Amino acid sequence: ETGVTQSPTHLIKTRGQQVTLRCSSQSGHNTVSWYQQALGQGPQFIFQYYREEENGRGNFPPRFSGLQFPNYSSELNVNALELDDSALYLCASSLLSRTYPNTGELFFGEGSRLTVL
Amino acid sequence: KQEVTQIPAALSVPEGENLVLNCSFTDSAIYNLQWFRQDPGKGLTSLLLIQSSQREQTSGRLNASLDKSSGRSTLYIAASQPGDSATYLCAVRPYNNNDMRFGAGTRLTVKP
Repeated sequence: ETGVTQSPTHLIKTRGQQVTLRCSSQSGHNTVSWYQQALGQGPQFIFQYYREEENGRGNFPPRFSGLQFPNYSSELNVNALELDDSALYLCASSLLSRTYPNTGELFFGEGSRLTVL
Repeated sequence: KQEVTQIPAALSVPEGENLVLNCSFTDSAIYNLQWFRQDPGKGLTSLLLIQSSQREQTSGRLNASLDKSSGRSTLYIAASQPGDSATYLCAVRPYNNNDMRFGAGTRLTVKP
């Protein structure tokens, strides 16, 4: 069984640039959620993707956008980077079924550390 | 709005001690509660998941309890080891949305 994988692991950008982070979900999972974790804080929910559509969004501006592909992998795009976007970006996958009860358990990747200068 | 608080923020204990980490939440209408471990600069590792209808879950030396009515969960670690040193996070999933809310974590240090 393959776990959640994220790339890149580290990257440095400058203010105003754009970044794309990638995530492959755990085998058998169909849902991907993205979280932002600032230093010393708990993760904050950005959004979730299910069946290639956004399925819930946290309190993040529209310059945070995403995609989910038919193989359930996902991308997080951030435009017009700001210094406060520096954080660990975590991807989590889960299995969502409309026909039987869901545990709702999340499985996380190792994260992508973004530094904005 | 669901708020999750973890106390203490940091804890240092000698090896072999039993310890309890606390998590409180403001809205008892939750779908589940999940405890995670995070090593410095790394992702989150799922430790225990408790559904809203359950009172506790156990895995090895770990036991997590849930009291929805009082908005509390505890993570009990028995016979702590230096390898248990990490930050422990609790997160609650509300009904009807996917915004899983996390506490800021408890940073645990187990001294040999």
